[in-house]
Amino acid sequence: GAGVSQSPRYKVAKRGQDVALRCDPISGHVSLFWYQQALGQGPEFLTYFQNEAQLDKSGLPSDRFFAERPEGSVSTLKIQRTQQEDSAVYLCASSFAGTVSNSPLHFGNGTRLTVT
Amino acid sequence: SQQGEEDPQALSIQEGENATMNCSYKTSINNLQWYRQNSGRGLVHLILIRSNEREKHSGRLRVTLDTSKKSSSLLITASRAADTASYFCATPQGGSEKLVFGKGTKLTVNP
Repeated sequence: GAGVSQSPRYKVAKRGQDVALRCDPISGHVSLFWYQQALGQGPEFLTYFQNEAQLDKSGLPSDRFFAERPEGSVSTLKIQRTQQEDSAVYLCASSFAGTVSNSPLHFGNGTRLTVT
Repeated sequence: SQQGEEDPQALSIQEGENATMNCSYKTSINNLQWYRQNSGRGLVHLILIRSNEREKHSGRLRVTLDTSKKSSSLLITASRAADTASYFCATPQGGSEKLVFGKGTKLTVNP
């Protein structure tokens, strides 16, 4: 595809439900990142993959958050037992190179999650 | 935890004027990046400046970097209504691939 694609675009979940957010990165991009963006704030790092390897998950706020990229392409961010504080926009980004020093991030339009 | 902090938080100007946004950061960096975000959309990369560069241009954008002051500025010349967006600076957190963003400057360009 032409860019990073995220689905769904909007998701409403009742507190306690599990959700799965999908990211299709640009074909051939090695690195994939997940960010969480609260209203009026900058994106906050969640986790980073290089191919299928999850190299950094230090930003995941709790063990209810889980991300995977099993074949080094599509990634899924799963949130179990959603809480109201999980309401945010979840952004996925990919980059061609393995380092952010050499390659900018290409972002999708995000999934807006609202937990009621 | 946010490494960069943009200033001002919000800026409103008339079309044709220049807009200047500043970013301060805390730790040593090897590069600093600026991104734009239109309302309801993802971020778009604008420019990357390395620590050994002092100034970089791209079209109507001019970015400066002062590593001694740990600060950067983004200048948009001859602004247009389409420049209305939030602008973020971002730096890699030392030794990792984690790109850390500031809170952003919300720019409004009035036609």
